[in-house]
Amino acid sequence: EAGVAQSPRYKIIEKRQSVAFWCNPISGHATLYWYQQILGQGPKLLIQFQNNGVVDDSQLPKDRFSAERLKGVDSTLKIQPAKLEDSAVYLCASSPRGSLGEQYFGPGTRLTVT
Amino acid sequence: AQRVTQPEKLLSVFKGAPVELKCNYSYSGSPELFWYVQYSRQRLQLLLRHISRESIKGFTADLNKGETSFHLKKPFAQEEDSAMYYCALLFGNEKLTFGTGTRLTIIP
Repeated sequence: EAGVAQSPRYKIIEKRQSVAFWCNPISGHATLYWYQQILGQGPKLLIQFQNNGVVDDSQLPKDRFSAERLKGVDSTLKIQPAKLEDSAVYLCASSPRGSLGEQYFGPGTRLTVT
Repeated sequence: AQRVTQPEKLLSVFKGAPVELKCNYSYSGSPELFWYVQYSRQRLQLLLRHISRESIKGFTADLNKGETSFHLKKPFAQEEDSAMYYCALLFGNEKLTFGTGTRLTIIP
Protein backbone atom coordinates (compact mmCIF):
# COMPACT_ATOMS: atom_id res chain seq x y z
CA GLU A 1 0.00 0.00 0.00
CA ALA A 2 1.15 3.53 -0.68
CA GLY A 3 2.46 5.42 2.29
CA VAL A 4 1.63 8.87 3.60
CA ALA A 5 2.57 11.50 1.05
CA GLN A 6 3.68 15.03 1.86
CA SER A 7 4.71 18.01 -0.22
CA PRO A 8 6.82 19.98 -0.55
CA ARG A 9 9.79 18.19 0.97
CA TYR A 10 11.70 21.41 1.59
CA LYS A 11 10.69 25.03 1.87
CA ILE A 12 12.65 28.19 2.60
CA ILE A 13 10.75 31.40 3.29
CA GLU A 14 11.38 34.74 4.92
CA LYS A 15 9.75 35.65 8.20
CA ARG A 16 6.28 37.15 7.88
CA GLN A 17 5.65 35.21 4.68
CA SER A 18 3.03 32.48 4.48
CA VAL A 19 3.49 28.80 3.63
CA ALA A 20 1.28 25.76 3.16
CA PHE A 21 1.97 22.06 3.47
CA TRP A 22 -0.03 19.24 1.96
CA CYS A 23 -0.61 15.71 3.20
CA ASN A 24 -2.30 12.70 1.65
CA PRO A 25 -2.83 9.92 4.21
CA ILE A 26 -2.98 6.20 3.62
CA SER A 27 -6.24 5.28 1.95
CA GLY A 28 -8.93 4.39 4.46
CA HIS A 29 -7.17 5.90 7.46
CA ALA A 30 -9.70 7.88 9.46
CA THR A 31 -7.27 9.74 11.69
CA LEU A 32 -4.74 12.27 10.50
CA TYR A 33 -2.12 14.07 12.59
CA TRP A 34 0.19 17.02 12.05
CA TYR A 35 3.35 17.17 14.14
CA GLN A 36 6.05 19.79 14.49
CA GLN A 37 9.57 18.50 15.11
CA ILE A 38 12.13 21.11 16.08
CA LEU A 39 15.78 20.10 15.79
CA GLY A 40 16.84 18.01 18.78
CA GLN A 41 13.31 17.39 19.99
CA GLY A 42 10.69 14.71 19.51
CA PRO A 43 7.61 15.27 17.37
CA LYS A 44 5.00 17.50 19.00
CA LEU A 45 1.35 17.05 18.06
CA LEU A 46 -0.19 20.18 16.54
CA ILE A 47 -3.58 18.92 15.45
CA GLN A 48 -5.50 15.66 15.14
CA PHE A 49 -8.40 15.03 12.75
CA GLN A 50 -10.90 12.22 12.87
CA ASN A 51 -12.33 12.08 9.34
CA ASN A 52 -12.87 15.80 8.63
CA GLY A 53 -13.47 16.87 12.22
CA VAL A 54 -10.88 18.25 14.64
CA VAL A 55 -10.29 16.00 17.67
CA ASP A 56 -7.52 18.01 19.29
CA ASP A 57 -5.83 21.28 18.38
CA SER A 58 -4.80 22.33 21.86
CA GLN A 59 -1.14 22.81 20.87
CA LEU A 60 -1.79 24.58 17.57
CA PRO A 61 -0.78 28.27 17.68
CA LYS A 62 -4.07 29.40 16.26
CA ASP A 63 -3.01 33.01 15.78
CA ARG A 64 -0.77 31.93 12.91
CA PHE A 65 -1.38 28.24 12.18
CA SER A 66 -4.46 26.76 10.56
CA ALA A 67 -5.29 23.33 9.21
CA GLU A 68 -8.13 21.71 7.39
CA ARG A 69 -9.07 18.29 6.15
CA LEU A 70 -11.74 18.70 3.58
CA LYS A 71 -13.74 15.59 2.66
CA GLY A 72 -11.89 13.62 5.30
CA VAL A 73 -8.94 12.74 3.08
CA ASP A 74 -6.17 15.22 2.19
CA SER A 75 -5.11 17.87 4.62
CA THR A 76 -3.30 21.20 4.46
CA LEU A 77 -1.42 23.00 7.21
CA LYS A 78 -0.82 26.72 6.81
CA ILE A 79 1.39 29.18 8.63
CA GLN A 80 0.68 32.87 8.20
CA PRO A 81 2.77 34.83 9.03
CA ALA A 82 5.81 32.67 9.70
CA LYS A 83 8.27 33.38 12.48
CA LEU A 84 11.88 32.29 12.83
CA GLU A 85 10.91 29.81 15.56
CA ASP A 86 8.63 27.98 13.10
CA SER A 87 11.73 26.48 11.46
CA ALA A 88 11.19 22.74 11.91
CA VAL A 89 10.20 19.54 10.18
CA TYR A 90 6.44 19.20 9.80
CA LEU A 91 5.31 15.60 9.88
CA CYS A 92 1.99 14.22 8.80
CA ALA A 93 0.82 10.83 10.07
CA SER A 94 -2.29 8.74 9.72
CA SER A 95 -3.76 5.78 11.48
CA PRO A 96 -6.71 3.43 10.97
CA ARG A 97 -9.58 3.48 13.42
CA GLY A 98 -8.67 1.77 16.69
CA SER A 99 -4.96 1.69 15.87
CA LEU A 100 -3.89 1.81 19.53
CA GLY A 101 -1.02 4.17 18.82
CA GLU A 102 0.24 2.71 15.56
CA GLN A 103 0.77 5.71 13.35
CA TYR A 104 2.21 5.84 9.84
CA PHE A 105 4.38 8.84 9.11
CA GLY A 106 5.12 10.75 5.95
CA PRO A 107 8.62 11.90 4.96
CA GLY A 108 8.06 15.36 6.42
CA THR A 109 8.52 18.90 5.14
CA ARG A 110 11.61 20.73 6.31
CA LEU A 111 10.77 24.42 6.74
CA THR A 112 13.46 27.04 7.14
CA VAL A 113 12.36 30.56 8.04
CA THR A 114 15.03 33.22 7.49
CA ALA B 1 0.32 15.87 32.61
CA GLN B 2 1.84 13.11 30.55
CA ARG B 3 5.58 13.20 29.93
CA VAL B 4 8.21 10.95 28.37
CA THR B 5 11.87 11.29 29.28
CA GLN B 6 14.78 9.82 27.37
CA PRO B 7 17.85 10.82 29.38
CA GLU B 8 20.46 9.97 26.73
CA LYS B 9 20.64 12.08 23.59
CA LEU B 10 23.51 10.02 22.23
CA LEU B 11 24.52 6.41 22.85
CA SER B 12 27.43 4.58 21.25
CA VAL B 13 27.79 0.82 21.55
CA PHE B 14 30.22 -1.63 20.01
CA LYS B 15 28.88 -4.22 17.59
CA GLY B 16 27.96 -7.38 19.47
CA ALA B 17 27.59 -5.60 22.81
CA PRO B 18 24.25 -5.28 24.62
CA VAL B 19 22.11 -2.21 24.03
CA GLU B 20 19.76 -0.47 26.45
CA LEU B 21 17.93 2.74 25.58
CA LYS B 22 16.25 4.28 28.58
CA CYS B 23 12.73 5.67 28.72
CA ASN B 24 10.82 6.93 31.74
CA TYR B 25 7.27 8.25 31.75
CA SER B 26 4.84 10.10 33.95
CA TYR B 27 1.13 9.56 33.43
CA SER B 28 -1.79 9.35 35.81
CA GLY B 29 -3.71 6.91 33.65
CA SER B 30 -2.98 3.38 32.50
CA PRO B 31 0.07 3.70 30.24
CA GLU B 32 0.45 2.32 26.76
CA LEU B 33 3.98 2.76 25.47
CA PHE B 34 5.74 2.43 22.16
CA TRP B 35 9.15 2.65 20.61
CA TYR B 36 9.42 4.36 17.25
CA VAL B 37 12.60 4.33 15.14
CA GLN B 38 13.95 6.48 12.34
CA TYR B 39 16.77 5.04 10.25
CA SER B 40 18.92 7.35 8.17
CA ARG B 41 16.96 8.85 5.27
CA GLN B 42 13.82 6.91 6.21
CA ARG B 43 10.50 7.76 7.80
CA LEU B 44 9.66 7.51 11.44
CA GLN B 45 8.15 4.06 11.98
CA LEU B 46 6.78 1.94 14.77
CA LEU B 47 9.28 -0.55 16.20
CA LEU B 48 7.29 -2.16 18.97
CA ARG B 49 4.52 -1.64 21.52
CA HIS B 50 4.39 -2.95 25.06
CA ILE B 51 0.94 -4.55 24.79
CA SER B 52 2.09 -6.99 22.14
CA ARG B 53 5.09 -8.16 24.19
CA GLU B 54 6.89 -9.08 20.99
CA SER B 55 10.51 -9.00 19.90
CA ILE B 56 11.18 -6.98 16.77
CA LYS B 57 14.62 -7.08 15.12
CA GLY B 58 15.90 -8.60 18.36
CA PHE B 59 14.64 -5.69 20.45
CA THR B 60 12.39 -6.09 23.48
CA ALA B 61 10.92 -3.63 25.94
CA ASP B 62 9.24 -4.35 29.24
CA LEU B 63 6.88 -1.97 30.95
CA ASN B 64 7.86 -1.51 34.61
CA LYS B 65 5.03 0.33 36.29
CA GLY B 66 6.85 0.50 39.63
CA GLU B 67 9.80 2.34 38.10
CA THR B 68 7.63 4.00 35.41
CA SER B 69 10.08 2.84 32.78
CA PHE B 70 9.97 1.23 29.35
CA HIS B 71 13.59 0.61 28.43
CA LEU B 72 14.46 -0.85 25.01
CA LYS B 73 16.96 -3.69 25.02
CA LYS B 74 18.86 -5.87 22.61
CA PRO B 75 21.42 -8.46 23.69
CA PHE B 76 23.78 -8.11 20.72
CA ALA B 77 23.97 -4.86 18.76
CA GLN B 78 24.22 -4.91 14.98
CA GLU B 79 25.46 -2.13 12.70
CA GLU B 80 22.02 -1.77 11.12
CA ASP B 81 20.61 -0.81 14.53
CA SER B 82 22.17 2.64 14.20
CA ALA B 83 19.22 5.04 14.15
CA MET B 84 17.21 7.57 16.12
CA TYR B 85 14.90 5.97 18.68
CA TYR B 86 11.86 7.63 20.22
CA CYS B 87 9.83 6.42 23.15
CA ALA B 88 6.16 7.43 23.00
CA LEU B 89 3.19 7.38 25.37
CA LEU B 90 -0.37 6.94 24.17
CA PHE B 91 -2.98 9.06 25.91
CA GLY B 92 -6.39 10.53 25.36
CA ASN B 93 -7.95 9.81 22.00
CA GLU B 94 -5.12 8.02 20.19
CA LYS B 95 -2.63 10.81 20.81
CA LEU B 96 1.08 10.20 21.24
CA THR B 97 3.57 12.12 23.36
CA PHE B 98 7.13 11.54 22.21
CA GLY B 99 10.37 11.75 24.10
CA THR B 100 13.29 13.78 22.77
CA GLY B 101 14.92 10.72 21.25
CA THR B 102 18.22 8.87 21.55
CA ARG B 103 20.63 8.61 18.67
CA LEU B 104 22.15 5.13 18.77
CA THR B 105 25.44 4.56 16.97
CA ILE B 106 26.85 1.07 16.63
CA ILE B 107 30.63 1.05 16.39
CA PRO B 108 31.94 -1.65 14.04
